[in-house]
Amino acid sequence: QKEVEQNSGPLSVPEGAIASLNCTYSDRGSQSFFWYRQYSGKSPELIMSIYSNGDKEDGRFTAQLNKASQYVSLLIRDSQPSDSATYLCAANTDKLIFGTGTRLQVFP
Amino acid sequence: ETGVTQTPRHLVMGMTNKKSLKCEQHLGHNAMYWYKQSAKKPLELMFVYSLEERVENNSVPSRFSPECPNSSHLFLHLHTLQPEDSALYLCASSQVPGTEETQYFGPGTRLLVL
Repeated sequence: QKEVEQNSGPLSVPEGAIASLNCTYSDRGSQSFFWYRQYSGKSPELIMSIYSNGDKEDGRFTAQLNKASQYVSLLIRDSQPSDSATYLCAANTDKLIFGTGTRLQVFP
Repeated sequence: ETGVTQTPRHLVMGMTNKKSLKCEQHLGHNAMYWYKQSAKKPLELMFVYSLEERVENNSVPSRFSPECPNSSHLFLHLHTLQPEDSALYLCASSQVPGTEETQYFGPGTRLLVL
């Protein structure tokens, strides 16, 4: 069974801090990885995609991929209360497999 | 309208009712998807359509019946549902069904089966 594992949280960080969200996946054949943000009662929206080992930066967000360790992470710099949401990690082999999500709380 | 739209946004139905969920994408994509999201569980892929042809049926009960009349529209016909089918049903689309293609989600239909 192909799986994506995430800590459900909540992860609580103060405003301005770095939030670090982690994800592991079971299928070594996974080739692309996605982070989605989902606000309560809303649909998932894409934050980042990453396909190669290493870091990928986009504004305050950095995605990190380590295929040898089957590990993906998302760093959010200068966290804001508006970043409070559930972050879904997904890995794509022949279809997109989602984790259960990590709930992030950024407090002022 | 832009992106992926879904109607209705909320639906309450009895176990003997028949209803349909509608999804429309305005992105020029060729692949469309139905997902189910239940509390405390990962998003579950239900169906995948590529160029109006079903390419994946993820062991979904027959009380859920998809229809894709063209590459912009996707329906999910519901019949004789169970209370455990209550969930958020999300439609998504991508350029093609592929490993590097980003999927874009609609706002979802929150379904309650009584």
